[in-house]
Amino acid sequence: DQQVKQNSPSLSVQEGRISILNCDYTNSMFDYFLWYKKYPAEGPTFLISISSIKDKNEDGRFTVFLNKSAKHLSLHIVPSQPGDSAVYFCAARGNQFYFGTGTSLTVIP
Amino acid sequence: ETGVTQSPTHLIKTRGQQVTLRCSSQSGHNTVSWYQQALGQGPQFIFQYYREEENGRGNFPPRFSGLQFPNYSSELNVNALELDDSALYLCASSSRGYTEAFFGQGTRLTVV
Repeated sequence: DQQVKQNSPSLSVQEGRISILNCDYTNSMFDYFLWYKKYPAEGPTFLISISSIKDKNEDGRFTVFLNKSAKHLSLHIVPSQPGDSAVYFCAARGNQFYFGTGTSLTVIP
Repeated sequence: ETGVTQSPTHLIKTRGQQVTLRCSSQSGHNTVSWYQQALGQGPQFIFQYYREEENGRGNFPPRFSGLQFPNYSSELNVNALELDDSALYLCASSSRGYTEAFFGQGTRLTVV
């Protein structure tokens, strides 16, 4: 039973434009949400997080938005850079971390 | 770099064999979690150890077992390997009351 879902397996964006990665979840008890970035042959790297009591958290080019009523969060990257090309995993914290299946982002120079 | 190290980085085993994977957690972290990431999937939670005790388990059979040592390093043992056990195994460390987990680079296990 997939409690965290990323319905877009891949996304291509032109350099300099905005990348929007989406994530949906089913469990309203999750209290923390995270985004991880993963390059091939490396472990996931923590990128940004948001508490369930907030609706937005910003860190440089990365902003995460949380819509609790829709059980939806998104990661915005602006401006996108070629080095952002990676697989992005959404995760939610309950009694463990639940991960989505990932979205492969390609930023085209 | 997170400070979480896993060994070995790659491993090939034959079906039916047993394997032990190792993880050194980040300094100051007392919680270690193990995940299995199959191709095209997100990491799936196997189990978590807190202060040497198993503290949560995902939907994995008993042939997946683990240990945590007093220095908070950890091992994942898999008995009677099956072809479907081929995956990237990730270790993550965190502290109690954690808001994020830090991952190692993973061990790529191939079962033939």
